[in-house]
Amino acid sequence: DIQMTQSPSSVSASVGDRVTITCRASQTIDSWLAWYQQKPGKAPQVLIYAASNLESGVPLRFSGSGSGTDFTLTISSLQPEDSATYYCQQAKSFPLTFGGGTKVEI
Amino acid sequence: QLQLQESGPRLVKPSETLSLTCTVSGGSVSSDKDYWSWIRQPPGKGLEWIASIYYSGSTYYNPSLRSRVTIFLDTSRNQFSLRLTSGTAADTALYYCTRYISATGWFDPWGQGTLVTVSS
Repeated sequence: DIQMTQSPSSVSASVGDRVTITCRASQTIDSWLAWYQQKPGKAPQVLIYAASNLESGVPLRFSGSGSGTDFTLTISSLQPEDSATYYCQQAKSFPLTFGGGTKVEI
Repeated sequence: QLQLQESGPRLVKPSETLSLTCTVSGGSVSSDKDYWSWIRQPPGKGLEWIASIYYSGSTYYNPSLRSRVTIFLDTSRNQFSLRLTSGTAADTALYYCTRYISATGWFDPWGQGTLVTVSS
């Protein structure tokens, strides 16, 4: 199984700050990585797929990078509505696995 | 527009079987070439993939749950279902049904989720 390790587990930042979340896979997953945003009481929503492709409708302040085993989600200028928990998910192979999540507080 | 909706008992007694159904609208479980899936989230914790079933019927399970889990399609009702046997308090979670799009590698859309509590 491919293990996904996210860091940090939580981050507190101010409006306008740049926030970076990292995700590391236990073995290479090429670019088979998605990022999700989950707000309280809601289902997760995809932000990024294939490591760096922005899903339609997602604000441009979100970006993803990386390949192989190391990946990054960056919020370039944090907004109040970005307060949420973020998860990475590998799509290289079954069993599909998620990172432990990063809670972003503003 | 594809929509998914979970249904099933909200309270299950320990050692009993948890059964959930996902009703799909705006698409077909038997013709859309994607994986119909279940994911759960214990209160205050992260996401755990449980199982997926391909439109053709091929199944994939989380190894940690494999011995207790069954996923199956009901094409006549355009539904897919989950059975989890020998429930324990550790199975208390918000259960989501969703579609896994293998071409792009993400889950979308998701149902609203249903909270299942395992307790006597």
